[in-house]
Amino acid sequence: DTAVSQTPKYLVTQMGNDKSIKCEQNLGHDTMYWYKQDSKKFLKIMFSYNNKELIINETVPNRFSPKSPDKAHLNLHINSLELGDSAVYFCASSRSRHGYTFGSGTRLTVV
Amino acid sequence: QKEVEQDPGPLSVPEGAIVSLNCTYSNSAFQYFMWYRQYSRKGPELLMYTYSSGNKEDGRFTAQVDKSSKYISLFIRDSQPSDSATYLCAMSSGGNAGNMLTFGGGTRLMVKP
Repeated sequence: DTAVSQTPKYLVTQMGNDKSIKCEQNLGHDTMYWYKQDSKKFLKIMFSYNNKELIINETVPNRFSPKSPDKAHLNLHINSLELGDSAVYFCASSRSRHGYTFGSGTRLTVV
Repeated sequence: QKEVEQDPGPLSVPEGAIVSLNCTYSNSAFQYFMWYRQYSRKGPELLMYTYSSGNKEDGRFTAQVDKSSKYISLFIRDSQPSDSATYLCAMSSGGNAGNMLTFGGGTRLMVKP
Protein backbone atom coordinates (compact mmCIF):
# COMPACT_ATOMS: atom_id res chain seq x y z
CA ASP A 1 0.00 0.00 0.00
CA THR A 2 2.40 2.63 -1.32
CA ALA A 3 2.04 6.11 0.22
CA VAL A 4 3.65 8.13 -2.59
CA SER A 5 3.97 6.36 -5.90
CA GLN A 6 5.64 7.59 -9.06
CA THR A 7 5.72 6.16 -12.53
CA PRO A 8 7.74 5.24 -14.41
CA LYS A 9 10.71 4.18 -12.25
CA TYR A 10 13.06 4.42 -15.20
CA LEU A 11 12.79 6.61 -18.29
CA VAL A 12 15.26 6.67 -21.17
CA THR A 13 14.51 9.11 -23.95
CA GLN A 14 16.15 11.13 -26.67
CA MET A 15 17.00 14.82 -26.60
CA GLY A 16 14.18 17.02 -27.76
CA ASN A 17 11.39 14.68 -26.68
CA ASP A 18 8.55 15.61 -24.34
CA LYS A 19 7.87 13.32 -21.38
CA SER A 20 5.71 13.16 -18.26
CA ILE A 21 6.25 11.61 -14.84
CA LYS A 22 3.20 10.79 -12.75
CA CYS A 23 2.87 11.02 -8.98
CA GLU A 24 0.07 9.99 -6.66
CA GLN A 25 -0.22 10.11 -2.87
CA ASN A 26 -2.82 8.33 -0.74
CA LEU A 27 -1.91 10.02 2.55
CA GLY A 28 -4.42 12.84 2.38
CA HIS A 29 -1.59 15.38 2.44
CA ASP A 30 -2.32 18.90 1.33
CA THR A 31 0.95 19.77 -0.37
CA MET A 32 2.95 17.97 -3.03
CA TYR A 33 6.43 18.63 -4.38
CA TRP A 34 8.89 17.76 -7.06
CA TYR A 35 12.60 17.51 -6.29
CA LYS A 36 15.55 16.84 -8.57
CA GLN A 37 18.52 14.82 -7.29
CA ASP A 38 21.69 15.16 -9.30
CA SER A 39 24.58 12.72 -9.59
CA LYS A 40 26.13 14.10 -6.40
CA LYS A 41 22.99 13.29 -4.41
CA PHE A 42 22.05 16.93 -4.02
CA LEU A 43 18.26 17.31 -3.70
CA LYS A 44 16.88 20.55 -5.05
CA ILE A 45 13.29 21.76 -4.89
CA MET A 46 11.57 22.34 -8.19
CA PHE A 47 7.93 22.95 -7.29
CA SER A 48 5.65 23.12 -4.30
CA TYR A 49 1.89 22.85 -4.89
CA ASN A 50 -1.28 22.71 -2.86
CA ASN A 51 -4.80 23.34 -4.00
CA LYS A 52 -4.31 27.04 -3.57
CA GLU A 53 -0.83 27.89 -4.60
CA LEU A 54 1.95 26.85 -6.94
CA ILE A 55 5.42 27.94 -5.94
CA ILE A 56 8.14 27.57 -8.49
CA ASN A 57 11.85 27.62 -7.85
CA GLU A 58 13.01 30.40 -10.15
CA THR A 59 16.01 28.37 -11.30
CA VAL A 60 13.77 25.74 -12.90
CA PRO A 61 13.55 26.15 -16.71
CA ASN A 62 10.07 26.80 -18.02
CA ARG A 63 10.35 23.57 -20.00
CA PHE A 64 9.30 21.93 -16.73
CA SER A 65 5.67 22.28 -15.70
CA PRO A 66 3.67 20.64 -12.91
CA LYS A 67 0.11 19.57 -13.56
CA SER A 68 -2.29 18.67 -10.77
CA PRO A 69 -5.64 17.12 -11.78
CA ASP A 70 -6.61 16.80 -8.09
CA LYS A 71 -5.15 16.97 -4.58
CA ALA A 72 -3.76 13.46 -4.72
CA HIS A 73 -1.83 13.87 -7.97
CA LEU A 74 1.01 16.07 -9.15
CA ASN A 75 2.49 15.16 -12.50
CA LEU A 76 5.67 16.62 -13.98
CA HIS A 77 5.77 17.42 -17.66
CA ILE A 78 9.06 18.17 -19.40
CA ASN A 79 9.30 19.67 -22.88
CA SER A 80 12.29 19.54 -25.22
CA LEU A 81 14.42 17.34 -23.00
CA GLU A 82 18.13 18.15 -22.74
CA LEU A 83 21.11 16.04 -21.68
CA GLY A 84 21.41 18.07 -18.47
CA ASP A 85 17.93 16.99 -17.43
CA SER A 86 19.26 13.52 -16.67
CA ALA A 87 18.78 12.98 -12.94
CA VAL A 88 16.52 11.26 -10.44
CA TYR A 89 13.23 13.07 -9.90
CA PHE A 90 11.42 12.62 -6.61
CA CYS A 91 7.84 13.40 -5.83
CA ALA A 92 6.94 14.06 -2.19
CA SER A 93 3.98 15.13 -0.11
CA SER A 94 3.45 16.65 3.32
CA ARG A 95 0.76 17.88 5.65
CA SER A 96 1.32 21.47 6.79
CA ARG A 97 4.79 21.85 8.28
CA HIS A 98 5.48 18.19 8.96
CA GLY A 99 8.19 16.19 7.30
CA TYR A 100 7.80 14.88 3.80
CA THR A 101 7.04 11.44 2.50
CA PHE A 102 8.99 10.75 -0.68
CA GLY A 103 8.27 8.49 -3.58
CA SER A 104 10.90 6.03 -4.76
CA GLY A 105 12.08 8.24 -7.61
CA THR A 106 12.14 8.27 -11.40
CA ARG A 107 15.55 7.86 -12.97
CA LEU A 108 15.55 9.93 -16.16
CA THR A 109 18.28 9.42 -18.73
CA VAL A 110 18.38 11.67 -21.77
CA VAL A 111 20.50 10.37 -24.65
CA GLN B 1 28.34 28.91 -0.81
CA LYS B 2 25.37 26.58 -0.33
CA GLU B 3 22.70 27.43 2.23
CA VAL B 4 23.19 24.07 3.91
CA GLU B 5 26.60 22.43 4.12
CA GLN B 6 27.17 18.76 4.85
CA ASP B 7 30.36 16.72 4.64
CA PRO B 8 29.80 14.18 1.85
CA GLY B 9 31.96 11.51 3.46
CA PRO B 10 32.12 8.59 3.05
CA LEU B 11 32.22 7.96 6.78
CA SER B 12 33.26 4.41 7.61
CA VAL B 13 32.79 3.03 11.14
CA PRO B 14 32.82 -0.40 12.76
CA GLU B 15 29.59 -1.97 13.92
CA GLY B 16 28.59 -0.75 17.38
CA ALA B 17 30.30 2.64 17.04
CA ILE B 18 28.63 5.95 17.81
CA VAL B 19 28.17 7.97 14.64
CA SER B 20 28.00 11.75 14.53
CA LEU B 21 26.62 13.46 11.42
CA ASN B 22 26.48 17.23 11.11
CA CYS B 23 25.20 20.11 9.04
CA THR B 24 25.77 23.83 9.14
CA TYR B 25 23.49 26.40 7.61
CA SER B 26 23.47 30.10 6.89
CA ASN B 27 19.77 31.08 6.82
CA SER B 28 18.70 32.19 10.30
CA ALA B 29 15.03 31.89 9.25
CA PHE B 30 15.20 28.09 9.35
CA GLN B 31 13.10 26.74 12.22
CA TYR B 32 12.25 23.17 11.23
CA PHE B 33 15.03 20.62 10.99
CA MET B 34 14.90 17.11 9.68
CA TRP B 35 17.14 14.15 9.02
CA TYR B 36 16.42 11.75 6.20
CA ARG B 37 17.99 8.41 5.42
CA GLN B 38 18.35 7.34 1.80
CA TYR B 39 19.30 3.84 0.76
CA SER B 40 20.77 3.32 -2.67
CA ARG B 41 18.19 3.73 -5.45
CA LYS B 42 15.44 4.52 -2.96
CA GLY B 43 13.64 7.68 -1.90
CA PRO B 44 14.64 9.54 1.28
CA GLU B 45 12.76 8.47 4.42
CA LEU B 46 12.19 10.74 7.38
CA LEU B 47 14.16 9.79 10.49
CA MET B 48 13.91 12.75 12.81
CA TYR B 49 11.93 16.00 12.89
CA THR B 50 12.67 18.83 15.32
CA TYR B 51 11.44 22.35 15.75
CA SER B 52 13.79 25.12 16.87
CA SER B 53 16.70 24.38 19.22
CA GLY B 54 17.10 21.40 21.51
CA ASN B 55 17.46 17.64 21.50
CA LYS B 56 15.16 14.87 20.41
CA GLU B 57 15.71 11.17 20.93
CA ASP B 58 14.13 8.24 19.15
CA GLY B 59 15.57 4.82 19.87
CA ARG B 60 19.21 4.77 18.78
CA PHE B 61 18.91 8.19 17.11
CA THR B 62 19.38 11.61 18.73
CA ALA B 63 18.96 14.88 16.86
CA GLN B 64 20.42 18.11 18.20
CA VAL B 65 19.80 21.64 16.98
CA ASP B 66 21.88 24.66 18.00
CA LYS B 67 20.31 27.65 16.29
CA SER B 68 22.77 30.10 17.82
CA SER B 69 25.61 28.30 16.01
CA LYS B 70 23.47 27.33 12.99
CA TYR B 71 24.54 23.74 13.52
CA ILE B 72 22.57 20.51 13.66
CA SER B 73 23.68 16.98 14.46
CA LEU B 74 22.41 13.43 14.26
CA PHE B 75 23.89 10.81 16.56
CA ILE B 76 23.46 7.10 15.96
CA ARG B 77 24.26 4.80 18.89
CA ASP B 78 25.23 1.15 18.50
CA SER B 79 25.46 1.53 14.74
CA GLN B 80 24.45 -1.45 12.62
CA PRO B 81 25.37 -2.50 9.06
CA SER B 82 21.73 -1.77 8.16
CA ASP B 83 22.42 1.89 9.01
CA SER B 84 24.69 2.09 5.96
CA ALA B 85 23.05 4.72 3.77
CA THR B 86 23.26 8.38 2.83
CA TYR B 87 21.99 10.74 5.53
CA LEU B 88 20.51 14.04 4.42
CA CYS B 89 19.79 16.99 6.65
CA ALA B 90 16.95 19.26 5.61
CA MET B 91 15.42 22.43 6.95
CA SER B 92 12.72 24.98 6.29
CA SER B 93 11.52 28.30 7.57
CA GLY B 94 7.96 26.98 7.72
CA GLY B 95 6.67 30.20 6.36
CA ASN B 96 4.45 30.78 3.38
CA ALA B 97 7.06 29.49 0.95
CA GLY B 98 5.14 26.27 0.55
CA ASN B 99 7.13 24.55 3.27
CA MET B 100 9.88 23.82 0.77
CA LEU B 101 12.85 22.07 2.27
CA THR B 102 16.46 22.97 1.67
CA PHE B 103 18.68 19.89 1.78
CA GLY B 104 22.31 19.33 2.52
CA GLY B 105 24.24 17.27 0.02
CA GLY B 106 24.16 14.14 2.19
CA THR B 107 26.79 12.14 4.08
CA ARG B 108 27.40 8.57 3.00
CA LEU B 109 27.77 6.28 6.01
CA MET B 110 29.21 2.78 5.89
CA VAL B 111 28.97 0.56 8.97
CA LYS B 112 31.24 -2.44 8.70
CA PRO B 113 30.41 -5.74 10.44
